[in-house]
Amino acid sequence: QQPVQSPQAVILREGEDAVINCSSSKALYSVHWYRQKHGEAPVFLMILLKGGEQKGHEKISASFNEKKQQSSLYLTASQLSYSGTYFCGTEGAQKLVFGQGTRLTINP
Amino acid sequence: DVKVTQSSRYLVKRTGEKVFLECVQDMDHENMFWYRQDPGLGLRLIYFSYDVKMKEKGDIPEGYSVSREKKERFSLILESASTNQTSMYLCASSLKGGHQPQHFGDGTRLSIL
Repeated sequence: QQPVQSPQAVILREGEDAVINCSSSKALYSVHWYRQKHGEAPVFLMILLKGGEQKGHEKISASFNEKKQQSSLYLTASQLSYSGTYFCGTEGAQKLVFGQGTRLTINP
Repeated sequence: DVKVTQSSRYLVKRTGEKVFLECVQDMDHENMFWYRQDPGLGLRLIYFSYDVKMKEKGDIPEGYSVSREKKERFSLILESASTNQTSMYLCASSLKGGHQPQHFGDGTRLSIL
């Protein structure tokens, strides 16, 4: 079952903060986050693991709440380069089930 | 650097044709995936392969098949293309095991007329 992302879209001014949520109806063991810029391939941002371990290489933080079966992505002091569509993916048996995406627009 | 290459960025085919989408990765990854991306639906898994000649159905395999004869190449086949298969198709690869990032190709925008 697809995880549900919220909001579906958000528009910010440069420097503002954003939170993107990803909720699952199933127990979560790990959550992936990806960003896709218009016309480009999705790019891996980070993985959050059960127990709190976080693996990633971007200056973007995230949380993982096992009890609520939810992950949240935090973009603070957003930059123009953060614009794009963000996808969460819940992992099981080496496969990912992606959410429907959240479109983030950053205006100057 | 990691590279996943899809053979075409844009493809136009006719209803009923057999269509081949090719994907090659140069990272020696065991796992390869095919997704379709439609507005408002995100990325949906069609098929994946965790080894040569191995394949497993994803969430929407109907109307598709795959082939993996070599580790680096994963092909998606539309046996008899239909207009509802007009979509963006994305290939991805990853190392085997859990918690591995997936690396995506640039996608093929397929139009079935």
